[in-house]
This record gives sequence, C-alpha cells and structure tokens, in this order.
Amino acid sequence: ETGVTQSPTHLIKTRGQQVTLRCSSQSGHNTVSWYQQALGQGPQFIFQYYREEENGRGNFPPRFSGLQFPNYSSELNVNALELDDSALYLCASSLTGAYVTQYFGPGTRLTVL
Amino acid sequence: AQTVTQSQPEMSVQEAETVTLSCTYDTSESDYYLFWYKQPPSRQMILVIRQEAYKQQNATENRFSVNFQKAAKSFSLKISDSQLGDAAMYFCAYITSYDKVIFGPGTSLSVIP
Repeated sequence: ETGVTQSPTHLIKTRGQQVTLRCSSQSGHNTVSWYQQALGQGPQFIFQYYREEENGRGNFPPRFSGLQFPNYSSELNVNALELDDSALYLCASSLTGAYVTQYFGPGTRLTVL
Repeated sequence: AQTVTQSQPEMSVQEAETVTLSCTYDTSESDYYLFWYKQPPSRQMILVIRQEAYKQQNATENRFSVNFQKAAKSFSLKISDSQLGDAAMYFCAYITSYDKVIFGPGTSLSVIP
C-alpha cells in the first residue's frame, strides 16, 4: 500500500507568478483535501475534491483552484502569487464519507519572493 | 465559530517520563471525531490517536492515551514513557461532518535525554 505523495518537495517563485502542486492519493482513497500551513501555525483547509469536483472550500480566494483526475490524484493551482502564499502545502487523502480519517503527504514548501 | 485551542505553545519532558498536552475545542455539532496528529521535522503529518465523540471510553494507542471530556470540550493527550522520537509538533484537530479538519495552533514537544 503506497502512502500519499506530493511533488515537488520545495519550490521558489516570485510574486505574480503561477504555481501548480501535485498530489497522489493513498491507494484506495477517492477524496483529496488540500491545506495551507503557514510557518508556526496549524494547517488551514483550502478545499476538498471528490469525484473530480470541488466538495467544500475554506476561506481562500478564487485564485486558489484545484483539479482531481480519474485516478484520484490532484493538483493545486495558485495564480498571481503573493508573499503571504509562502507556506507548506499539505495534501490529505481519505475515503469518502463523514468523519473519515485523513492521511497526509509530506507537503510542498512554497517560497514566494 | 469552529475553533481549536492549544494553550501550551511549547512543552518539554524528560525521557521515560509522562507528559500531557492540552486541547480545547468549540463546535456546535453533536457528532464529530477528534484527533491528535504529530508533525516531526520531516513535516509528515502522522495520525497519533483518534476519538469518536459519541464514545465515552477514552482512546488508547500503546503509550498514547487521551482524556476526553465532551461536556467541557476538552481533549488532552498523555504520552507515557516518553522517547526521543516523540519530539515533534503536536496538533489537536477535529473533523466535521463535511470532512473539513479543523486544526489547533500546535504544541512543540521537546524530549530531554
């Protein structure tokens, strides 16, 4: 059984650029959630994808968007990067349903200069 | 508002001793699950223990146990026989019926040899 994987590990971008982060869910999981973790803080929910559609969204602007593919892998896209977007981005996969446990990937560290 | 509070930003414990990390939360939902996640320097968020809110019996996983007080909305984690590998950030969290995990700000645990 393979765990959740994310790529790339680290990324450096400049303000105004666009970035795409990738996540492969754990084998058998069909739901992917994305979180932003600023330095020294707990993760904040961005959105969740199930059956290739957004299934819940946190308090993030529309320039944060995502995709889920038929194999349940997912992308997080951020347009018009701002300095405050610098953070660790975590992907978590789970089965669908209420109150299910989410399993996290190692994260992508994004630095915006 | 749905919030999680961890009042201890930093804690330390002697190796082989016991330490308790505190957590309180606020939710209007009657059904939810509570979690403690561990995040070592490797950044991987690892599930430590899970508690169903409808169960009165406190969850236990080897050296890790919780004290769940539903009326007080309190969910503390006790680590017995602390080991060097327990050093990490610990996040208290709960999941709503909409599968959005709400995290606390974290407690940094140091283990002193």
